[in-house]
Amino acid sequence: DAGVIQSPRHEVTEMGQEVTLRCKPISGHNSLFWYRQTMMRGLELLIYFNNNVPIDDSGMPEDRFSAKMPNASFSTLKIQPSEPRDSAVYFCASSPWEGAYNEQFFGPGTRLTVL
Amino acid sequence: SQQGEEDPQALSIQEGENATMNCSYKTSINNLQWYRQNSGRGLVHLILIRSNEREKHSGRLRVTLDTSKKSSSLLITASRAADTASYFCATDASGAQKLVFGQGTRLTINP
Repeated sequence: DAGVIQSPRHEVTEMGQEVTLRCKPISGHNSLFWYRQTMMRGLELLIYFNNNVPIDDSGMPEDRFSAKMPNASFSTLKIQPSEPRDSAVYFCASSPWEGAYNEQFFGPGTRLTVL
Repeated sequence: SQQGEEDPQALSIQEGENATMNCSYKTSINNLQWYRQNSGRGLVHLILIRSNEREKHSGRLRVTLDTSKKSSSLLITASRAADTASYFCATDASGAQKLVFGQGTRLTINP
């Protein structure tokens, strides 16, 4: 079975450009999570969806970040405009259970570099 | 501040030895989870222990939970080179709808 799929795996862009990260959760999973991982701040939850509905977006750093989940099999995280401090690895995870405190299945991540 | 904090930050042992990592947290929890992350990869769930459990085993992994001390430990027995990775504990603060991850322990198994 395919796990969580993320694209692209690597993204290098210049400051001010729009960046869109994509995620396909495991089929049948009800919850989807976007995380950001940096050396300084570790792994941080940005936003999570339950049955395609955003439940908690308190981790989204600022208005430049937005996330959508138009259907059960696809989600995007968009940064517009991007800044060098957004450089990080962004992970998408999904879970077959409702709620954010059960086992989560992580994708391979997208390494974003903003120059 | 982090809900879960691992100790030590880095651990280097010889293959075949046991590795013990600890996690402390601040508030009451419903459960505590351990994840592994190989370099350049996503996190992989290892084990979940609920607040009413004290010990749990999975293969060479043994997890303990002491809610009175707000701490957990992960023991990997008979370590292998393939166990080289970062290990994270994750907790849910009661009432919070999210997992909070610690900074991780970087484990190196020397052949």
